[in-house]
Amino acid sequence: EAQVTQNPRYLITVTGKKLTVTCSQNMNHEYMSWYRQDPGLGLRQIYYSMNVEVTDKGDVPEGYKVSRKEKRNFPLILESPSPNQTSLYFCASSYDSSGNTIYFGEGSWLTVV
Amino acid sequence: EDQVTQSPEALRLQEGESSSLNCSYTVSGLRGLFWYRQDPGKGPEFLFTLYSAGEEKEKERLKATLTKKESFLHITAPKPEDSATYLCAVQANSNYQLIWGAGTKLIIKP
Repeated sequence: EAQVTQNPRYLITVTGKKLTVTCSQNMNHEYMSWYRQDPGLGLRQIYYSMNVEVTDKGDVPEGYKVSRKEKRNFPLILESPSPNQTSLYFCASSYDSSGNTIYFGEGSWLTVV
Repeated sequence: EDQVTQSPEALRLQEGESSSLNCSYTVSGLRGLFWYRQDPGKGPEFLFTLYSAGEEKEKERLKATLTKKESFLHITAPKPEDSATYLCAVQANSNYQLIWGAGTKLIIKP
C-alpha cells in the first residue's frame, strides 16, 4: 500500500527544545516536501527535495532544517522551536514536482509552549 | 502576485442537494490546477488535475471544470460521506511552486 508515514503524530514541546519529525515513503518517489497548515491559510511549503542530497527552501523555511540522505526519508528538524511554529505539519511525496497525485502523510500536530 | 481564493469557506447542504465549490486563481500562465479532499485528522487526498480551459474531470458524484480564471467542483446528489474540506491548488508555468487555497469545508447533513 502506498504510504507516507510521519512521526510523531502529536507533540507538545517547550520553546527552544530541538525536535525532529520523521517522514518515510514507500513509493520510491524522488520528490518530497514538508508543509504546514494553519487555520484560514492554505498549505504552505516549508522545504522540498528533488532527490537525495538535493533540498531547497519553500515559502516559509525560517526556523526549519531538512536533510535527504536516503530516498525514502525526509526528516524535518526544528532546531529551536518557538510558539509561532505551533501548527499542523504534513510530509508529502510525489513522482515529480507537479501538483499531480501528491501523497500526504497523516499530519503531525505540534504545539510549542 | 499568484493567488488562489476558494469560496465559500464553508457550505452546509442536505443530502441530495447539489451545489458547486469555487476556486478562483490568478497566475501568470497556468501549468495545472489540482483538487484535493481532506478528511478531519488526515492528509489531503488527490482528486483531479486540470490543465486547460474547457477541460472537465469526473469521479463518482464529483465533477471538476476549468475556465481561464476559475475552477468549479460540482457535487451532484451528495451523501454524508462527501463531507470533507476540499482544497484547490495551482501551479504556474513560471516556476514549480504550488499555491494552495484555504479550502472549502463541505458538510452534508443526512
